Parts: sequence; C-alpha cells; structure tokens
Amino acid sequence: NAGVTQTPKFRVLKTGQSMTLLCAQDMNHEYMYWYRQDPGMGLRLIHYSVGEGTTAKGEVPDGYNVSRLKKQNFLLGLESAAPSQTSVYFCASSLAEWNTEAFFGQGTRLTVV
Amino acid sequence: DQQVKQNSPSLSVQEGRISILNCDYTNSMFDYFLWYKKYPAEGPTFLISISSIKDKNEDGRFTVFLNKSAKHLSLHIVPSQPGDSAVYFCAASKIRLRDDKIIFGKGTRLHILP
Repeated sequence: NAGVTQTPKFRVLKTGQSMTLLCAQDMNHEYMYWYRQDPGMGLRLIHYSVGEGTTAKGEVPDGYNVSRLKKQNFLLGLESAAPSQTSVYFCASSLAEWNTEAFFGQGTRLTVV
Repeated sequence: DQQVKQNSPSLSVQEGRISILNCDYTNSMFDYFLWYKKYPAEGPTFLISISSIKDKNEDGRFTVFLNKSAKHLSLHIVPSQPGDSAVYFCAASKIRLRDDKIIFGKGTRLHILP
C-alpha cells in the first residue's frame, strides 16, 4: 500500500532556482493538499485541490504554484526559490468533502541557500 | 490570526498515567475536529476525530472531548505508553459550509517518561 508518495525526500536549492515537488496518491482521493511545516508554526496550508483540474489558495500561497492535471498527482512548484521557503513540505489527500481524514506523505525537506 | 490554538508546546507525562492535550478554536463555524500524531521524519497520521454534533468520541486508549460553548477540545490518552511520545496536532474544518480545508494548530510535543 503506497498511499501518498512524495518526491524527492530531500533537496537543496540555491536562491532563485526553480523546482517541482511531486505528490502521488493511489487511493482515488478527490482532495489533495500541500502543507509546509516550520518550527513553532505547525502545519500551514499552501494550496489545495478539490478535484482533477482544480486548484485553490490556502493560508500561505505566495511564491508557490500548483497543478492537478491528473487526479492522482498534485505538483507544487517554486519558480524562484527564496531562503524563506526552507521548510518541510507535506502532501496529503482525502476521500471527499464528507470525509476529512487526510492521509499524509512522508515529507520533503527543502533547504534554500 | 490563528484559528486553531494549542497553547502548550510540550507536555511530559509518566508512563501509565493520563495524558491530556488541549486545543482551542476561535471560529464557531468549525464543525469537525481531528487529532493527528506525528513522529520525527514521518508524515502526520490520523488519530481520532469528532463531529460538532457530539461531545465525546472514544477509540481504545484515546478519547476526544468537545466543549462547543467554550470552543475547546481535548485529547485524553489512558494509559500513556512510550510509543505515544510524538507531536500531536489538533485540526479543524467546516463541513457544513462545504469548506473542508483542514486547519492545523502548532502542535504539542508529548514526552512519556519511564
């Protein structure tokens, strides 16, 4: 049972570089989310998607873009990385709006230098 | 403006005793509450949830209590075990409003002492 898989697990970027974080789920979930976790800040929602082809902004969307071209994949892009984007990123998915238990990936630790 | 608050960054409890983790929320439109557990270097995992139509939900050693008038919920773990040492996140969403973004608190680190 793969569940939610994030790629890569670790990455170091230079300021100004771009990258894409990939999230894949094999549970046929409609909803997918990207969160970032920073010390003392908990989990903050970046963007989310309620279905294939849809995306919406969360609490901290600036500096990030997302795409949900296929139901099972949710991509998080950083066009021009900044040190403030150093964080641990978690992807999650949930079945539908009446079931908000979310399943999380193992996280991606990103360092921007 | 934090809508879900966990005011205790950490908590230490003796093994075998009861652990009580607290959570407060500010938005009365939240109607579904969840607790997640997180070990280092892993993603959070769902623990237990409660709908606003209930005031208690129990699952084995874990019980969540909801006090809507106080906008307060708590997670009780009885008895506490070493494997319960983790960070616990309280989360809330608004199902009735069809807005089920899950909003998390900052977490409480629970240490179970031998």
